[in-house]
Amino acid sequence: DIQMTQSPSSLSASVGDRVTITCRASQGISNYLAWFQQKPGKAPKSLIYAASSLQSGVPSKFSGSGSGTDFTLTISSLQPEDFATYYCQQYNSYPVTFGQGTRLEIK
Amino acid sequence: QVQLQQWGAGLLKPSETLSLTCAVYGGSFSGYYWSWIRQPPGKGLEWIGEINHSGSTNYNPSLKSRVTISVDTSKNQFSLKLSSVTAADTAVYYCARGKRYCSGGSCPRTYYFDYWGQGTLVTVSS
Repeated sequence: DIQMTQSPSSLSASVGDRVTITCRASQGISNYLAWFQQKPGKAPKSLIYAASSLQSGVPSKFSGSGSGTDFTLTISSLQPEDFATYYCQQYNSYPVTFGQGTRLEIK
Repeated sequence: QVQLQQWGAGLLKPSETLSLTCAVYGGSFSGYYWSWIRQPPGKGLEWIGEINHSGSTNYNPSLKSRVTISVDTSKNQFSLKLSSVTAADTAVYYCARGKRYCSGGSCPRTYYFDYWGQGTLVTVSS
């Protein structure tokens, strides 16, 4: 299985900040990487696919980059509704696997 | 607008069989793979398996011996059965639509998830 490792595991930031979350794959996955946002008690919400393509309806403050094994999710100008847990997912090969999550908290 | 609505028993005893169903409203049912994903309380996400409209399935090897996913195309529904449950199977179970995005003539082997059901908490306890 491909292991997905996110860093940091948790992050404190203030409203208006710009933050970056990293996801590393244990082997190359081309650009077959997605990012999700999950709020407490809710299902994950798709943000980005193909490493950098924005899901329809997702604001442009979210951006993704990377290829191969190293990927980043950047959120600019944090707003209160952005504080949540973020997961990456590889879909290069079976079984699909997820990162352990990054919890973004208000400072 | 695509919506996934799921339901099933929320409390099971050890050794029983978990059974959940997900109905798909809006959009096409064919052309996608339909997955089950679970999340133990306070933990991360684990992919369980998937099925397409033709009944072709793929399962996570870690659960394959206990999982059966089936489809009812007449109702645009798919279902999960997980046998011989234990406390370790306690989790929120989600259904999701798997979408394949190809670019530059290259396609991934699997899918990312663009729509999710609301989740069902399944607790296994004696």
